[in-house]
Amino acid sequence: GQQVMQIPQYQHVQEGEDFTTYCNSSTTLSNIQWYKQRPGGHPVFLIQLVKSGEVKKQKRLTFQFGEAKKNSSLHITATQTTDVGTYFCAGLAGYQKVTFGTGTKLQVIP
Amino acid sequence: DSGVTQTPKHLITATGQRVTLRCSPRSGDLSVYWYQQSLDQGLQFLIQYYNGEERAKGNILERFSAQQFPDLHSELNLSSLELGDSALYFCASSVDPTGTRANVLTFGAGSRLTVL
Repeated sequence: GQQVMQIPQYQHVQEGEDFTTYCNSSTTLSNIQWYKQRPGGHPVFLIQLVKSGEVKKQKRLTFQFGEAKKNSSLHITATQTTDVGTYFCAGLAGYQKVTFGTGTKLQVIP
Repeated sequence: DSGVTQTPKHLITATGQRVTLRCSPRSGDLSVYWYQQSLDQGLQFLIQYYNGEERAKGNILERFSAQQFPDLHSELNLSSLELGDSALYFCASSVDPTGTRANVLTFGAGSRLTVL
């Protein structure tokens, strides 16, 4: 079945440093989404990418969808303590079966 | 408040027992998804319903079952519980099953199940 892997699994950064998480799917995706789960919270939708090579920005966050639509990345510039949480990518392949990645847990050291 | 309501928030029970988790989707959402998240783990897809019918199935154990009712609320039934079933169970709903945001999920706060 479809697998979606994320690396790294954990990342500790000093506040102000940049952070990147990578998402790789075993199959071609129709679209990819990113969610953030704060500690003790539930996943919250951040963004959706649909087109091959698409790049979208949300303030300090930059999301990219690979040309082959099998990988994606999330880059955070100048991390802040409010960025702490687990970031999940989620891919749609096949009819409405959303598969979540393994997640990257981000810790920001003040 | 995401608009997706899950009850109960916390549940403690013993091995061998049966529990029912309930989810009310966001108003207007027709699809309901169930996910299991064990401690510090990822989100395991269990099952999806659309307008009362099963749409997709993931790694859902035979001891687990779910349904979506005519009013669109959904229930996840977990039976013959084992210690390993202790987890956070999330329900999510989606806004439009056919449009470009078909699978954008809105999650509830989750039901934390502890099996002793």
